[in-house]
Amino acid sequence: AQRVTQPEKLLSVFKGAPVELKCNYSYSGSPELFWYVQYSRQRLQLLLRHISRESIKGFTADLNKGETSFHLKKPFAQEEDSAMYYCALKSGSGNTGKLIFGQGTTLQVKP
Amino acid sequence: NAGVTQTPKFRILKIGQSMTLQCTQDMNHNYMYWYRQDPGMGLKLIYYSVGAGITDKGEVPNGYNVSRSTTEDFPLRLELAAPSQTSVYFCASSYSASGGDNIQYFGAGTRLSVL
Repeated sequence: AQRVTQPEKLLSVFKGAPVELKCNYSYSGSPELFWYVQYSRQRLQLLLRHISRESIKGFTADLNKGETSFHLKKPFAQEEDSAMYYCALKSGSGNTGKLIFGQGTTLQVKP
Repeated sequence: NAGVTQTPKFRILKIGQSMTLQCTQDMNHNYMYWYRQDPGMGLKLIYYSVGAGITDKGEVPNGYNVSRSTTEDFPLRLELAAPSQTSVYFCASSYSASGGDNIQYFGAGTRLSVL
């Protein structure tokens, strides 16, 4: 079964502390993974995806096939990083672009 | 550039009423999706479309219907509203299903309460 698990509903850190939002997936084959973010009063939007191997707003995410994980990391959290973060897996059933989302993690960065 | 537009933003329905959630995009995207977002549950796919005239069920389609008569519009219909359909509904679109253009762009959402 294809599944995405984000074990933490809420992650609270102080400004300047490192952040790691966990994402584990279940998928047979080569997964395509994404992180989407929803800031307060804004739309859900793409943060980054593993095929691009990019760093956006200081965030990086590395695909670890051995551990079936795609954790999102940032070395020094900022208050403006406070948001809801969703990990998503592209469904392998057909060329439909369907995404399977995790439950989401709320990141709270305290001053 | 409006992107994905959803109307209405908020709606309260009585049990058994019907309504249509509107979604339109101006990016000429072939792929469109409807999700519902429940607290602690993430986003669940209701229906999707890979092009005008083609729709298919997602993970939680019961109680909903869709149509895709044009590339731009993808309305979601609730025929007999039930309290279990209280949720936030998001419409999304993407240009492609794979490769570099398979980014989904989301609307602002419709908050629906069924009482």
